[in-house]
Amino acid sequence: DTGVSQDPRHKITKRGQNVTFRCDPISEHNRLYWYRQTLGQGPEFLTYFQNEAQLEKSRLLSDRFSAERPKGSFSTLEIQRTEQGDSAMYLCASSAIQGTGNTIYFGEGSWLTVV
Amino acid sequence: GEDVEQSLFLSVREGDSSVINCTYTDSSSTYLYWYKQEPGAGLQLLTYIFSNMDMKQDQRLTVLLNKKDKHLSLRIADTQTGDSAIYFCAERYSSASKIIFGSGTRLSIRP
Repeated sequence: DTGVSQDPRHKITKRGQNVTFRCDPISEHNRLYWYRQTLGQGPEFLTYFQNEAQLEKSRLLSDRFSAERPKGSFSTLEIQRTEQGDSAMYLCASSAIQGTGNTIYFGEGSWLTVV
Repeated sequence: GEDVEQSLFLSVREGDSSVINCTYTDSSSTYLYWYKQEPGAGLQLLTYIFSNMDMKQDQRLTVLLNKKDKHLSLRIADTQTGDSAIYFCAERYSSASKIIFGSGTRLSIRP
């Protein structure tokens, strides 16, 4: 499977705990995006990397959220001290810079439920 | 500002054509996309169109762009039960920027 891979697919956590999601982009895709989607809404942009550089962060990304892409390949999104309002699906996407860079491909998402 | 709007629901009869509409506000948008999302799944890229195009056809899908009115539509010919999903319209300023999504249109198919 050469698509965008996300892990875990589902996570249930207690309020106040930390959670981390991992995204493996399509091989050789330089750009990697994180989005959040709540029920009945479209995906909302969180942050975006080009290689290892984090180029843009949304105001939605509070100080409890941190994303990294240390080697320019996989990325992690960590949420500290989770709150019930963090319950959502976290989507990762990737794209190339050249050639097919017009297209952004999404993974299957990681569902987070905070209880 | 960046804003993409879609109607929330559309119901069509199996075999008919579905037309899903979208309006956007950023006249600088260079790329406009349609994604499909089935229950519990991620987003599947259906098609996209450059802002200098008026129309793009891909099998059963036809995308029409009216740049003057900032209106985008997706027509699905011969709608099938497998087309039941939420369809998201999205805009992008450049190939180096993020995608902004609408709230999605839920397409339901009746027999």
